[in-house]
Amino acid sequence: AQKVTQAQTEISVVEKEDVTLDCVYETRDTTYYLFWYKQPPSGELVFLIRRNSFDEQNEISGRYSWNFQKSTSSFNFTITASQVVDSAVYFCALSESPYSGGGADGLTFGKGTHLIIQP
Amino acid sequence: DAMVIQNPRYQVTQFGKPVTLSCSQTLNHNVMYWYQQKSSQAPKLLFHYYDKDFNNEADTPDNFQSRRPNTSFCFLDIRSPGLGDAAMYLCATSTEDGYNQPQHFGDGTRLSIL
Repeated sequence: AQKVTQAQTEISVVEKEDVTLDCVYETRDTTYYLFWYKQPPSGELVFLIRRNSFDEQNEISGRYSWNFQKSTSSFNFTITASQVVDSAVYFCALSESPYSGGGADGLTFGKGTHLIIQP
Repeated sequence: DAMVIQNPRYQVTQFGKPVTLSCSQTLNHNVMYWYQQKSSQAPKLLFHYYDKDFNNEADTPDNFQSRRPNTSFCFLDIRSPGLGDAAMYLCATSTEDGYNQPQHFGDGTRLSIL
């Protein structure tokens, strides 16, 4: 069965520091997708990035960057020069292909990392 | 221009009194999902619709039901809410190939049980 582990329950840093959120996943499928979502205090889940299992290129989007390493089953998320508005709970999630014969059709979420950016 | 709309934002009901949460979407997506998120926990998939095909997760209690009368609307019915059902309920949508597409979430309905 698929599983997503976010070992960091809560991280607190001072504004402008860089911070990395860890995500480790387990799956038996060779075809799968990984996602990061942000959940601010208002409650809605906001999509940040999607990465498929065949694309190990790192990605950078502004202050956000993602490091996908299949060898360690990790998909880590780094925020550089953090800002107070980055304070939220961040979820890593896994989606397996329904065509491979296994896995749920929805997202399997990690437990989330609560990121606190102090001014 | 909200795309996935959940009503109400906050819902209070009494122990054992049936309650219905609603979700509508303007994206014309084929797939609609319902997740339950308890305090400080990850969202947990309850069930989803692929068009009119209903897919229930194995561990979703029978107390939870869903209806999707058309593409735009989906309802979550809790027949006899217990104290343990107090949670945030999130509705999400995705396109046909949902597994590899981002899910679009509504703002959620926070359900309290008295």
